[in-house]
This record gives sequence, C-alpha cells and structure tokens, in this order.
Amino acid sequence: EVQLLESGGGLVQPGGSLRLSCAASGFTFSNYVMNWVRQAPGKGLEWVSVISESADATYYADSVKGRFTISRDNSRDTVYLQMNSLRAEDTAVYYCAKKVVMGAGSGLDSWGQGTLVTVSS
Amino acid sequence: QSALTQPASVSGSPGQSITISCTGTSSDVGGYNFVSWYHQYPGKAPKLMIYDVTKRPSGVSDRFFGSKSGNTASLTISGLQAEDEGDYYCNSYTSTRTWVFGGGTKVTVL
Repeated sequence: EVQLLESGGGLVQPGGSLRLSCAASGFTFSNYVMNWVRQAPGKGLEWVSVISESADATYYADSVKGRFTISRDNSRDTVYLQMNSLRAEDTAVYYCAKKVVMGAGSGLDSWGQGTLVTVSS
Repeated sequence: QSALTQPASVSGSPGQSITISCTGTSSDVGGYNFVSWYHQYPGKAPKLMIYDVTKRPSGVSDRFFGSKSGNTASLTISGLQAEDEGDYYCNSYTSTRTWVFGGGTKVTVL
C-alpha cells in the first residue's frame, strides 16, 4: 500500500523558515516524480513544486520561486520542501503527492494527509 | 500561471448527468493532453478521478468521463449519486513546465 507521510509543519513568524518532509513507502520511490501542493484555509488547491525522479529537474510556482526549494533523498524515500522568507499568504495545508505513472503525464494518485503551516506573528 | 477557470458550482438531481468545464489557454489545457481531475471532500486529501484528459485510475467508476476540446477540458459525471458531492478541481501542465489548478467547482446533489 502506498503511503505518504508529511511532517514539519507548525507555527512560524513572517520571514521565518520551515522544512517539510514527506516519507514515502509502498512503491519504488526513485521511479516517480514527486509534487508539493498546498491549500490555504477555505481556498482551492495550489500547485507548489515538482521534482524529477533523479532530482535533476525542479520547477516552482511563481508565488514561491526563489523562496522555496524542493529536494529528495532516494536513499531515504523522502522528499523535502525548504521554505524560507515565509509570508502570511503561505499559510496552508501542504500535501506531497505522487504521480500516477512513471515518466511523463499528468495525475497525482497518492496524497499524504497534509501538514499545516501557519505563518503569523 | 493564472488559475484555470471553472464554474463555482454545479448541481444536479440523483441519476442525472452534469458537466464541469475547465478553461485555460493554448499554453496549458490546449497545448498538452496532460489534464487531470480531482474530487475532494472537506478536510480530506484530493482523490484522482481522471488523468491525461481521459484516463481513469483503477477503482474510479466509469460514471466519470473526461474530455477536451481546444482550450477547455470537461469532466462529466453520469448517474449522479449523493457520494459525488464535494469539490472538483482540474489541473493542467503548462508551457513553463509547471502545473496549474482550476479554482474548483462545488458539486451539489439536489
């Protein structure tokens, strides 16, 4: 059974930093592209970032580019999201999600339970 | 990276069919066959319903049908059931190698 378990969320002051982790199990982690998606309270889904299978390609939403960094450790089956210069508008539940198929294509078929990040003074 | 355009709400009676539209541009929806759809209950993680415009993941009912014409993708739900209520989101690949979601559509079964 595929499982994704996020951790690292919490309360942080504006301008602060947090690192989210997502531990994967139940599939060959190194074969899949991984994504981070967030959802502000009462709002819709917002795609945040994606990392390729071997971590040689990363892409970001304009809203987080230059502040967030996605990375992965295939030896630990874990994907990370380093979040710096946090703003109030970054307050959201952050989900990690796995592509449904290897390689190109759309669709995130497995999601974690989410971890809440609150940016407030 | 402007959000894709979805209707705020769609409703239907049990057994009826409804269609949710998702409008983008030639740089996202219209340019790639990489559109997916998600169903989300409040407080829960999204569930993948359709990927690559028309494909259904294992376990998803064949009452869910995805299509695309030009810059607009659509999700049709036939034989509407109470369990189909919730929020639906479309998502598309873009020409900048990023992804973008729609604003979401609240489905109500009358």
